[in-house]
Amino acid sequence: EVQLVESGGGLVKPGGSLRLSCAASGFIFSGYSMNWVRQAPGKGLEWVASISTTSTYINYADSVKGRFTISRDNAKNSLHLQMNSLRAEDTAIYFCAREDKDVWGQGTTVTVAS
Amino acid sequence: DIQMTQSPSTLSASVGDRVTITCRASQSISSWLAWYQQKPGKAPKLLIYKASSLQSGVPSRFSGSGSGTEFTLTISSLQPDDFATYYCQQYNGYFMWTFGQGTKVE
Repeated sequence: EVQLVESGGGLVKPGGSLRLSCAASGFIFSGYSMNWVRQAPGKGLEWVASISTTSTYINYADSVKGRFTISRDNAKNSLHLQMNSLRAEDTAIYFCAREDKDVWGQGTTVTVAS
Repeated sequence: DIQMTQSPSTLSASVGDRVTITCRASQSISSWLAWYQQKPGKAPKLLIYKASSLQSGVPSRFSGSGSGTEFTLTISSLQPDDFATYYCQQYNGYFMWTFGQGTKVE
């Protein structure tokens, strides 16, 4: 079964850090670019970051540039999002999504609050 | 950056109605547009890609049209399972996605 499973969410204080992971299975992970998308409570979808198959090309939304780092480990079929200097406005459900937009994880919740 | 504007934000409809949602891009995105359906607590579900291509397994009552800067999603006969929020998304940018603000069909 083709699947993406996120983990690593939780409650963190403003200024803190968190590392999200996305475990891929059922498909050739190294053959797809990957993305992180987030959704704040009651709000719409916001693209966060993208990474190419070999990590050569990486791009970030302006709202997270300089604070978040996307990475991947093709040997372990995993995608990561290192989030530093977290702010209250980063509170959201974070989804990982495959390049073709057809496969999404169930999401992991990040809450930034004191 | 490319901005995506959806209208309306909320749409009231009944079962059997024909429903149309519009999405406008701030600059031409050719046909690099997707449509999603999202229900509360769930991940988005891809309905349409490349503006008018129906994703496998999606009912044929869903259709997409348009190119350049103007796009539409049409549900030909609204079913009970279709009450949800719909998003457009451009993927013309290099490793960059942009979503519309969403349309809630209630």
